[in-house]
Amino acid sequence: KNEVEQSPQNLTAQEGEFITINCSYSVGISALHWLQQHPGGGIVSLFMLSSGKKKHGRLIATINIQEKHSSLHITASHPRDSAVYICAVPYNTDKLIFGTGTRLQVFP
Amino acid sequence: GAGVSQTPSNKVTEKGKYVELRCDPISGHTALYWYRQSLGQGPEFLIYFQGTGAADDSGLPNDRFFAVRPEGSVSTLKIQRTERGDSAVYLCASSQRRITDTQYFGPGTRLTVL
Repeated sequence: KNEVEQSPQNLTAQEGEFITINCSYSVGISALHWLQQHPGGGIVSLFMLSSGKKKHGRLIATINIQEKHSSLHITASHPRDSAVYICAVPYNTDKLIFGTGTRLQVFP
Repeated sequence: GAGVSQTPSNKVTEKGKYVELRCDPISGHTALYWYRQSLGQGPEFLIYFQGTGAADDSGLPNDRFFAVRPEGSVSTLKIQRTERGDSAVYLCASSQRRITDTQYFGPGTRLTVL
C-alpha cells in the first residue's frame, strides 16, 4: 500500500483548460510538498503548505489536513505546463515519501 | 547563488564496479537528502544528513551503498559491486534545516549498470 497516492496517473488537456491533480496520504503530516518534474529529470518545488491554500501565478494548491487530501490546480493551462507533478509528504520528520506522480500533457 | 549541483550527470559502468556520485548542495543548507528514482516511479528516500552526520540511513537498500558528508557540505554516495538493478537516477536535494523547508533538487545523476 502506497502511503501517498495521486490521481490521475496521466492527464491530457487542451490549452486553456482548468486542471486538477489530487493527492491523498495515509500518514500524519505537518506539511505537504508539490513538486514539478520536467523531462530530463529536474525537480522544482512548487509549494510547501500545511493548511488552507497557496497561490502562485496560475497554480493553486489546497490542503485539508483532517481529510488527508491535497489538490493542485492549474488555471488556463499552457503546453509549457506539461510535466510530471509529484506530491510528497514528510515522514518521521526527516524524509519525504513521494507519490508516483501525475503526467500532464497540455496540447495547443 | 548556484543551486544544487550533481556530478557526473551520466555514469555508465559495468556490473561489479565501484561508483561515486557527488552532490554539492546550496551553501549554508544543513540538510541534505539522497533519493533514487527508477523509470516511471516517484523518488525513493535513501539517506538524510543533518550537517556531517547521517541522521537517517534507513532507505539505503543494502550494505553496498554508503554515503558521506565529511565537512557538512559536499556529499558523496558510494556504491560498491554495482548490480544492474542499481540503474536509476540518483537525486540529491538540500534544504535550509528541516524537511518542512523548501527542498531544492539537483539535476540528478543517471546511473546505468551494464
